[in-house]
Amino acid sequence: GAGVSQSPSNKVTEKGKDVELRCDPISGHTALYWYRQSLGQGLEFLIYFQGNSAPDKSGLPSDRFSAERTGGSVSTLTIQRTQQEDSAVYLCASSLGTVYNEQFFGPGTRLTVL
Amino acid sequence: GQNIDQPTEMTATEGAIVQINCTYQTSGFNGLFWYQQHAGEAPTFLSYNVLDGLEEKGRFSSFLSRSKGYSYLLLKELQMKDSASYLCAVRDSGGYQKVTFGTGTKLQVIP
Repeated sequence: GAGVSQSPSNKVTEKGKDVELRCDPISGHTALYWYRQSLGQGLEFLIYFQGNSAPDKSGLPSDRFSAERTGGSVSTLTIQRTQQEDSAVYLCASSLGTVYNEQFFGPGTRLTVL
Repeated sequence: GQNIDQPTEMTATEGAIVQINCTYQTSGFNGLFWYQQHAGEAPTFLSYNVLDGLEEKGRFSSFLSRSKGYSYLLLKELQMKDSASYLCAVRDSGGYQKVTFGTGTKLQVIP
């Protein structure tokens, strides 16, 4: 079946604008993660959804960042009033949940804030 | 929470063996992962350890010692295509079962 998909692949925006990044996980995967990766850096955890439980938002860097997951499937990460330091690759991953937790990553969205 | 440490960079010669270490301090532990990430690409899964000992998979092996909070990834018969970043990640044992990544080790394989 299809892997994790993300859209858009690239997004260039002006400082102060809002952006929405989309993630379509693998069908049947109950766990969904968002990470941020700046150039040459490791993965920075942002938020984690597991089934119908309340998400773990402990990695969101500020209240400008929010995410939702509708129907336990598609997820949207929203960044309001973007800043230049938000420029990074935003990676989404999904996994089967707690039974076997290999994460499958999407190709990422490269966000550039001018 | 989790604190994960890996060397930032390593260099090794084609055909040789390299060991990439990872140490972690956690409030709960329920498994450790290794991922490979080539430049400009998404990470891909290499291995998963939840019990102490060595897991071998072809040219790659991963070792875990839970009592020491220590793991290593062993790459044998290095090839040029093994040049990549190697990410260590730890899963919580709490209700969220969250996975936290280290900053990764950038491996350069030279001829």
